[in-house]
Amino acid sequence: GENVEQHPSTLSVQEGDSAVIKCTYSDSASNYFPWYKQELGKRPQLIIDIRSNVGEKKDQRIAVTLNKTAKHFSLHITETQPEDSAVYFCAASKGSSYKLIFGSGTRLLVRP
Amino acid sequence: DAEITQSPRHKITETGRQVTLACHQTWNHNNMFWYRQDLGHGLRLIHYSYGVHDTNKGEVSDGYSVSRSNTEDLPLTLESAASSQTSVYFCASTPGLEGEQFFGPGTRLTVL
Repeated sequence: GENVEQHPSTLSVQEGDSAVIKCTYSDSASNYFPWYKQELGKRPQLIIDIRSNVGEKKDQRIAVTLNKTAKHFSLHITETQPEDSAVYFCAASKGSSYKLIFGSGTRLLVRP
Repeated sequence: DAEITQSPRHKITETGRQVTLACHQTWNHNNMFWYRQDLGHGLRLIHYSYGVHDTNKGEVSDGYSVSRSNTEDLPLTLESAASSQTSVYFCASTPGLEGEQFFGPGTRLTVL
């Protein structure tokens, strides 16, 4: 079955710097790759997603890139702010299965 | 407003007891999922359902069961609770199209 690996497990950056979180997946049939943000004690919430027919997607300070050949995708956050501090999860799914396989998460700390 | 709710939000039980966690959504989504969240493991899929009377096993289904008698509810039952099932449980739902999963607020379960 699908396996998603996520790195790093923790990331500390200075406010204003960029942060990059990377994920790799094992199943070449996977075609949907969302990123979720989870603040302490809260539920995960989708922040951006990308489908396999697109190489990059941006939404303000957040971008996701996808390399299908290498089977990896990355989340890029620019101009980080303290409110970006949270745990970020990548995930992958394929076809019409709708079920997501999640990475183990990255705890991002943005230092003021 | 449409929403997804879970109850109880916190539960303490003893080893060997049967426990049922409720999940209710008012979006009329066909697809519903149960995950458990443990430190270092991210979100792992327990069971999922694509519609009434449909249930499927996920990555970590041993010791858990679900039933789907209507569109709105997918209760998760721990047949005989074990300390290893101490975790935070999230249910989620998504409509019939590939896309965002909407998560409930979570249930923190402690098995003593």
